[in-house]
Formats: sequence, C-alpha cells, structure tokens
Amino acid sequence: DVKVTQSSRYLVKRTGEKVFLECVQDMDHENMFWYRQDPGLGLRLIYFSYDVKMKEKGDIPEGYSVSREKKERFSLILESASTNQTSMYLCASRSRQTIYEQYFGPGTRLTVT
Amino acid sequence: SQQGEEDPQALSIQEGENATMNCSYKTSINNLQWYRQNSGRGLVHLILIRSNEREKHSGRLRVTLDTSKKSSSLLITASRAADTASYFCLEETSGSRLTFGEGTQLTVNP
Repeated sequence: DVKVTQSSRYLVKRTGEKVFLECVQDMDHENMFWYRQDPGLGLRLIYFSYDVKMKEKGDIPEGYSVSREKKERFSLILESASTNQTSMYLCASRSRQTIYEQYFGPGTRLTVT
Repeated sequence: SQQGEEDPQALSIQEGENATMNCSYKTSINNLQWYRQNSGRGLVHLILIRSNEREKHSGRLRVTLDTSKKSSSLLITASRAADTASYFCLEETSGSRLTFGEGTQLTVNP
C-alpha cells in the first residue's frame, strides 16, 4: 500500500513566520505535488516536482517555495506566512510507471493568525 | 488558470438511487480522472478515462467523456450511505497541466 504522510495534521502559525510543511512517500514515486484546498475553490496546484531536485510552478506559487533534496521527501515552504495562506494543504505523489493516479496524504490544516 | 467546473455543487439522494455528477473543462486533455474525498480516507483515486475513450466502467462507477463538449460524467449506480463524500474531477493536459474541479458534495441518505 502506498503511503503518503504529512508532518502535521493541524498547524497554527503567526503572520510573518516561516512555515515548513513536510511530505514523505514510501513508494519510490518520481512525481510529487503540493495543493491547497479552499471551500468553493476545490484543489489548486501550488508546485510539483518530477524528480529529485526538480520543481515546477503550479497555478498559485506566489508566496510559496519548495524543496526536493531526496526522492521521498517534498517540502513546501511559506517564506512569510500570511492570513490568506490559511488553508488545507494536500501532498500527493505518483509513479512515472503507473502514471496518472495520484496518492494523497491526509492533509495539513494550517491556520495563520 | 481556470478551474474545471462541476455540477451540481451538491446532490442529495436516497440509498439505492443513482447519482450523476458532471464536469466541464476548458482545454484539450490527455486524460480525465475522478477522485473521492471523505473525512475518513482523504482523497482517493476512483477512475481514469483517456481522451480517446468514451466510456469506462469500474464496479458501480461509470464515467463518460465527450471531448466535443469538453465534458465528463460520473455515474454511481445503486448508491450506498458509504458513498457520501465529495467528488472531484481532475483534468490533465498533454503537457501534464493538472486542474481539479470544484467538486460535488454527494449525500446518500439511508
């Protein structure tokens, strides 16, 4: 069974703090993704990575950066958290071989006060 | 970027009835996928249909694709209370651009 884990289920941070969200997958998947989910807006892609040290901007990268130093780990960084970054953050991974199907982590609900 | 659109936004039916959800998209796709999200299991992949396919089945799920209308439908037959969840379509272009729809909240009443 593919397992995608995220470092925290719930996180509360203050405006201006630097925030790290970690995602780890245990199935040697090449592709990894970060989404945010907001009511009425569905899931929006922030960044994705095709492989180690590779990254591509998604639809809403502003205010975020990512790091993929190891294949199993994809980190999302909020350089200076703002209240409009309060959201549910979902990480996903998929294999280049099986392609298409994404496996999602449980999500991190981030509140920025 | 523009989001895919799903309708209805919310659907409430009785157990045993069929549920149909629709998804419209705006670009040429490589494939379209459907996902389910509930509080217990998070987001889970249900079914994928490729751009050269018109219909696909998986258990009680049937998905259709009309590329001329840029739309897809997900049909759940003989619904169960456990099907209560949010359903999302995901369009993927040939350039691997990924766009989720806004989702349909399905409630199946026992």
